[in-house]
Amino acid sequence: QSVLTQPPSVSAAPGQKVTISCSGSSSNIGNNYVSWYQQLPGTAPKLLIYENNERPSGIPDRFSGSKSGTSATLGITGLQTGDEADYYCTTWDSSLSVVFGGGTKLTVL
Amino acid sequence: QVQLVESGGGLVKPGGSLRLSCAASGFTFSDYYMSWIRQAPGKGLEWVSYITSSGSAVYYADSVRGRFTISRDNAENSLYLQINSLRAEDTAVYYCARDPVVFDYWGQGTVVTVSS
Repeated sequence: QSVLTQPPSVSAAPGQKVTISCSGSSSNIGNNYVSWYQQLPGTAPKLLIYENNERPSGIPDRFSGSKSGTSATLGITGLQTGDEADYYCTTWDSSLSVVFGGGTKLTVL
Repeated sequence: QVQLVESGGGLVKPGGSLRLSCAASGFTFSDYYMSWIRQAPGKGLEWVSYITSSGSAVYYADSVRGRFTISRDNAENSLYLQINSLRAEDTAVYYCARDPVVFDYWGQGTVVTVSS
């Protein structure tokens, strides 16, 4: 059971938009920045979003992040088949640990 | 460019030990906190540990505290994870990553399999 709650799967058609939610509490998301990672099949995770809504260089603006209260959201627009991957949210927790969401599998139909 | 290369994984019997290594290059290693994260087969990511840039402070997940030890050698640009008293549930790909919370660079991972 992960500390942060994500939907196990989401799906959408190519070109469409999808959002992935990440729910936590005041001990983690409520008082800390959220990061998001993309893990393509068989590869290491890759940083997509940090500090709730910042993109590292090289990440297209199709990817966006937001946070409200104790929840965060990853948005992906203009879906491509290459976006099919597992997506994870993460943040610091007041228990002096880093916590991850359980991951969301994105299927581009 | 930033590179992190893990090594040291393998097949080990329950109760055994391993020492994982992570060789860093392309950045000033001694300036950065470093982390270990693992992923059991077919499962999600689990944070394991992180160490401050000087090595003066370390933090562990409850699931590994007392059995795992993180360390670093800044002169050798290397990060280590000593894993003892291995259990079947420690079977996973172990990744090293830069930074304690925003993992901006990851290695390719090293596989640890605990089985008799």
